[in-house]
Amino acid sequence: DAKTTQPPSMDCAEGRAANLPCNHSTISGNEYVYWYRQIHSQGPQYIIHGLKNNETNEMASLIITEDRKSSTLILPHATLRDTAVYYCIVRVANRDDKIIFGKGTRLHILP
Amino acid sequence: EPEVTQTPSHQVTQMGQEVILRCVPISNHLYFYWYRQILGQKVEFLVSFYNNEISEKSEIFDDQFSVERPDGSNFTLKIRSTKLEDSAMYFCASIVSGYEQYFGPGTRLTVT
Repeated sequence: DAKTTQPPSMDCAEGRAANLPCNHSTISGNEYVYWYRQIHSQGPQYIIHGLKNNETNEMASLIITEDRKSSTLILPHATLRDTAVYYCIVRVANRDDKIIFGKGTRLHILP
Repeated sequence: EPEVTQTPSHQVTQMGQEVILRCVPISNHLYFYWYRQILGQKVEFLVSFYNNEISEKSEIFDDQFSVERPDGSNFTLKIRSTKLEDSAMYFCASIVSGYEQYFGPGTRLTVT
């Protein structure tokens, strides 16, 4: 899997949009961008994934640049429950192999 | 919504003892995984399991570890002789095929 680079930590005010960046400059054409999060001491939770088009679901939006070398996860109205470590992972979709987690971004939502 | 469950939530054991961590994957899932996370560190892959056999294992998954799917619902991780460095959160995950992995809440293993 291609490597990703994320800031180690970020703060966001409650109610504001949280924008989490990820760089993946060596991404291959068949690799998707996945986002997971891990709330303290819980198991990782899938958020969203995409190939090249922007994606949105009930949890978040994913914006992928045209050259696919970076992406941004957007939590539109952050709440205190969104405080977690967010992992950006690049991997081939529809594969059943392991997930390789990096260190992620620790997002603090401030009241 | 279906979920992966794990028991126990916390296991304390003495060094050298055997432990079995249990997981109940989502019922129609076909692929199963164990990961671990030492306190303050990254989530690390241990082993994947499909069609009643190991499909991949990491360097961490040495002879002290084994996995089993003893019946149609449970998926277990056994550590034969625990070491202090086995203290960690252990997460089970499962997947139908080609979709995202669903993780359980984890078992905190403390080896004293």
